[in-house]
Amino acid sequence: EAGVTQFPSHSVIEKGQTVTLRCDPISGHDNLYWYRRVMGKEIKFLLHFVKESKQDESGMPNNRFLAERTGGTYSTLKVQPAELEDSGVYFCASSAKRNYGYTFGSGTRLTVV
Amino acid sequence: DAKTTQPPSMDCAEGRAANLPCNHSTISGNEYVYWYRQIHSQGPQYIIHGLKNNETNEMASLIITEDRKSSTLILPHATLRDTAVYYCIVRVAGSEKLVFGKGMKLTVNP
Repeated sequence: EAGVTQFPSHSVIEKGQTVTLRCDPISGHDNLYWYRRVMGKEIKFLLHFVKESKQDESGMPNNRFLAERTGGTYSTLKVQPAELEDSGVYFCASSAKRNYGYTFGSGTRLTVV
Repeated sequence: DAKTTQPPSMDCAEGRAANLPCNHSTISGNEYVYWYRQIHSQGPQYIIHGLKNNETNEMASLIITEDRKSSTLILPHATLRDTAVYYCIVRVAGSEKLVFGKGMKLTVNP
């Protein structure tokens, strides 16, 4: 089966611009998660979708971040406006069932200059 | 904050068993222990998880002590490709959130 796909793999944008990251989960996986690792820090949870519903968005850092999953398939994470501290690697993961291991994508490396 | 404690690093000889320890003394009765690893800058890779019984899959074995305060991940025949940062994670009951700590860097040497 195809894995979790993230696009783009790298993005370099200027401070103040908008960037949209995309995640395509494994087909049929209702659970979709976003995590990120900013420079020098541990991997942190951002949010969890079950189908198109946000189940837990307690990790979203502020209102510059907007995640959507229309139709319960792929998801997007928009950062608007981007700040320097948003630089890092953004990971998406999916799972078929709760309490199971996730499959992570390779991540999107975001650099804000 | 992560609820687990791991040594920062460990070395293992290729072909030998790698035993990766993890302490989770504050774990609650319904919280699972998960292990993931991250090879270089790839996305984390799920290895195994368990609640109280020992678990084994094609990648590894997970041994959880009877009091559940610690566990050991065993890679039975380590290869160079097992060099990675290994994360022991206690998943908070009722939450899908994984709290990653600093992990432990395993280096498999030829």
